[in-house]
Amino acid sequence: AQSVTQLGSHVSVSEGALVLLRCNYSSSVPPYLFWYVQYPNQGLQLLLKYTSAATLVKGINGFEAEFKKSETSFHLTKPSAHMSDAAEYFCAVSGGSSGYSTLTFGKGTMLLVSP
Amino acid sequence: EAGVTQFPSHSVIEKGQTVTLRCDPISGHDNLYWYRRVMGKEIKFLLHFVKESKQDESGMPNNRFLAERTGGTYSTLKVQPAELEDSGVYFCASSQDRGAGGYTFGSGTRLTVV
Repeated sequence: AQSVTQLGSHVSVSEGALVLLRCNYSSSVPPYLFWYVQYPNQGLQLLLKYTSAATLVKGINGFEAEFKKSETSFHLTKPSAHMSDAAEYFCAVSGGSSGYSTLTFGKGTMLLVSP
Repeated sequence: EAGVTQFPSHSVIEKGQTVTLRCDPISGHDNLYWYRRVMGKEIKFLLHFVKESKQDESGMPNNRFLAERTGGTYSTLKVQPAELEDSGVYFCASSQDRGAGGYTFGSGTRLTVV
């Protein structure tokens, strides 16, 4: 079975600081990996995805993530946090016995950005 | 292009009552998914439609939940009778392909059973 672990239910950064949200996964087959963001009172928005092409993936709003197979990781980074980045972030994986249609999510990480 | 629309956005019902959630996917998206997030837990898959057919309903918690997709367009998720543990946020998503492109999610329906 697949699983996703997001380290830290809450991460606090100052505006302008580096954002690093950690995601580790387990999968018995080559995975597809996703990061979604949920702003208050909104739905889940796709930030970026890895589907077996380039291992460094660039997404919207200046975010990027690197697929590291040896570490089974897909950490999300942004060089400089902005107040508008405050939201909940979800890492997800698809593949394995459930096929590539079904997403398995981590528990989410709330990003808090202070002035 | 209109997004995935869900309604109601919020619903508060008493234990034992029936509630029906509706999802309108993006036009032309054959794949429609339901997910649920119970408070404090991760978002979990409920089921997957391809057009009007249930492709995978392995995540449906029990037979109090019934999902339909009329004519391969909108979908409904009925909970009857509702229990306290059914409270959570129910998300709908749709996609053209089977996952590689990522889904488009709706804003969710927050269900509270009291």
